Amino acid sequence: AQSVTQLDSHVSVSEGTPVLLRCNYSSSYSPSLFWYVQHPNKGLQLLLKYTSAATLVKGINGFEAEFKKSETSFHLTKPSAHMSDAAEYFCVVIYTGTASKLTFGTGTRLQVTL
Amino acid sequence: GAGVSQSPRYKVAKRGQDVALRCDPISGHVSLFWYQQALGQGPEFLTYFQNEAQLDKSGLPSDRFFAERPEGSVSTLKIQRTQQEDSAVYLCASSFGRSTEAFFGQGTRLTVV
Repeated sequence: AQSVTQLDSHVSVSEGTPVLLRCNYSSSYSPSLFWYVQHPNKGLQLLLKYTSAATLVKGINGFEAEFKKSETSFHLTKPSAHMSDAAEYFCVVIYTGTASKLTFGTGTRLQVTL
Repeated sequence: GAGVSQSPRYKVAKRGQDVALRCDPISGHVSLFWYQQALGQGPEFLTYFQNEAQLDKSGLPSDRFFAERPEGSVSTLKIQRTQQEDSAVYLCASSFGRSTEAFFGQGTRLTVV
């Protein structure tokens, strides 16, 4: 089955330290990959997207992600966490032939401490 | 407005009551999606429209759920005879088309009591 797996349900980092949120996808089809962020009581906001162009994708708020086909991964990183980064992050995939249906991972809650 | 608008933002329904949730997508967006997000979970796909055509309704959990987009713009998700397990946030998203980014509304939080 086509799926996307977020390896950590919860990640806690100190402010100013690097962030790594892990995501793996199933490799059946060529995917389009996205990271969305959801702040409490707010809508989902697109952070970045990969659509078969450059494998290193830069997004908003200093986030970036690297598409690694050999590892079927699309991990999200940020060099230095800020308190405002605390939120729920979703890795999302669209598989070719699925009529643009977005498949969500289960989410990773990022906690940022002082 | 510039974004996807959903109404109402909050809805409390008594078990057995019918509800209708509205989504106004971004003007010109061909694709429209409905998702259900239970507490502490990721959004789960419900249904997909391309213009007025409902191309995929494989995620609708039962025949109590019905969605329409009669003129290819505004969409309504209707839930008949609501049950407690229907309590969730219902998210609407729209996009220009295939494999393009989807823009989400803020959702409607449905609580069935």
